[in-house]
Amino acid sequence: GQNIDQPTEMTATEGAIVQINCTYQTSGFNGLFWYQQHAGEAPTFLSYNVLDGLEEKGRFSSFLSRSKGYSYLLLKELQMKDSASYLCAVIGGSGNTGKLIFGQGTTLQVKP
Amino acid sequence: NAGVMQNPRHLVRRRGQEARLRCSPMKGHSHVYWYRQLPEEGLKFMVYLQKENIIDESGMPKERFSAEFPKEGPSILRIQQVVRGDSAAYFCASSPGGTPRGNTIYFGEGSWLTVV
Repeated sequence: GQNIDQPTEMTATEGAIVQINCTYQTSGFNGLFWYQQHAGEAPTFLSYNVLDGLEEKGRFSSFLSRSKGYSYLLLKELQMKDSASYLCAVIGGSGNTGKLIFGQGTTLQVKP
Repeated sequence: NAGVMQNPRHLVRRRGQEARLRCSPMKGHSHVYWYRQLPEEGLKFMVYLQKENIIDESGMPKERFSAEFPKEGPSILRIQQVVRGDSAAYFCASSPGGTPRGNTIYFGEGSWLTVV
């Protein structure tokens, strides 16, 4: 089967750093995505990894290890507006499709 | 994201009625995906369509749900005889085809269905 796991909830302090982990087991792998979703809104794209290593984009970084089926999203210099759900999603299968398999999402609460 | 247009944004239906949700993909995109998000849960894949074809409907409930993407016009997700458990947010996404690399999958704003 296909399974993507991430913690349900996390809490962090404004200005701090937080790491949200994601492990996946899928038949095939064609990329891993992280999305941010505020309550009542659509997911917005944060990052994409298809090769092992770290991708950095401003305050957000994402890491992938394909051999371990593992990724994390790193958020630095946390701001109150970063309070949201963070969704890990994988494109599995043999490729040539944009079908995303999502984890259940991690709700991050940033406290002053 | 103004590219993927979904309507209605909010829909209220009584049990037993039909719900029709529409999605116009981003210009130039020929691939459409529908996802359902139940309260406090992640997004679940429902169906993947290209123009006039259903490519993968492995996430669609076997009864009451159907989807189409006609040659002309938007993609439509149709739910017949709605029940309270159908209350959810339904998101549409589109892509240009092939295996997406980076930020090439675009989500619509979602349609929130409430069944009373």
